[in-house]
Amino acid sequence: KAGVTQTPRYLIKTRGQQVTLSCSPISGHRSVSWYQQTPGQGLQFLFEYFSETQRNKGNFPGRFSGRQFSNSRSEMNVSTLELGDSALYLCASSFPGQQETQYFGPGTRLLVL
Amino acid sequence: QKEVEQNSGPLSVPEGAIASLNCTYSDRGSQSFFWYRQYSGKSPELIMSIYSNGDKEDGRFTAQLNKASQYVSLLIRDSQPSDSATYLCAVNIVIIHDKVIFGPGTSLSVIP
Repeated sequence: KAGVTQTPRYLIKTRGQQVTLSCSPISGHRSVSWYQQTPGQGLQFLFEYFSETQRNKGNFPGRFSGRQFSNSRSEMNVSTLELGDSALYLCASSFPGQQETQYFGPGTRLLVL
Repeated sequence: QKEVEQNSGPLSVPEGAIASLNCTYSDRGSQSFFWYRQYSGKSPELIMSIYSNGDKEDGRFTAQLNKASQYVSLLIRDSQPSDSATYLCAVNIVIIHDKVIFGPGTSLSVIP
């Protein structure tokens, strides 16, 4: 079974631009969570989607948004990028009933200049 | 109090020793507990999950859960240099719709 995939793997943007990241979960997994990881802040929860609905949301500004499609693929969008948005963005998927065991993708490394 | 806490380390142990990693959590209703390993520049990978009080063993890894003390630990026996990584504890927070929260991680260094 293929693992979680994320595209793109690396991205360089400038301040003020916007970016869209994509995540394809493991086949059969319906829950997708997004995390931001920086050296100083660790793994910070952004949001979780289940069956195309946002189920949980972290404490991030409204510039961070996401959505999930009917095939469980998910995208997250960051508008008006700031230097502090430079981070590794991780997506994790889980299967309903497996008590939230999450499997991570390789991540997208975003650099904002 | 933070929802999930870990000693940040770094924790250094000699090769062949037992490494002990600790985690405490704030939500008494939490039911699911996970340990992930993350190598530098890589994404976290699941090592073990534990749901009941007591010990759970998988190879050189043993997870220990004590819900009364709100404490979960990971023991790594016969530590190897390849075990050098950051270990993340994760807990489901029932009062926040079962959201999984990660601790800050403990950096482990196994010295040959």
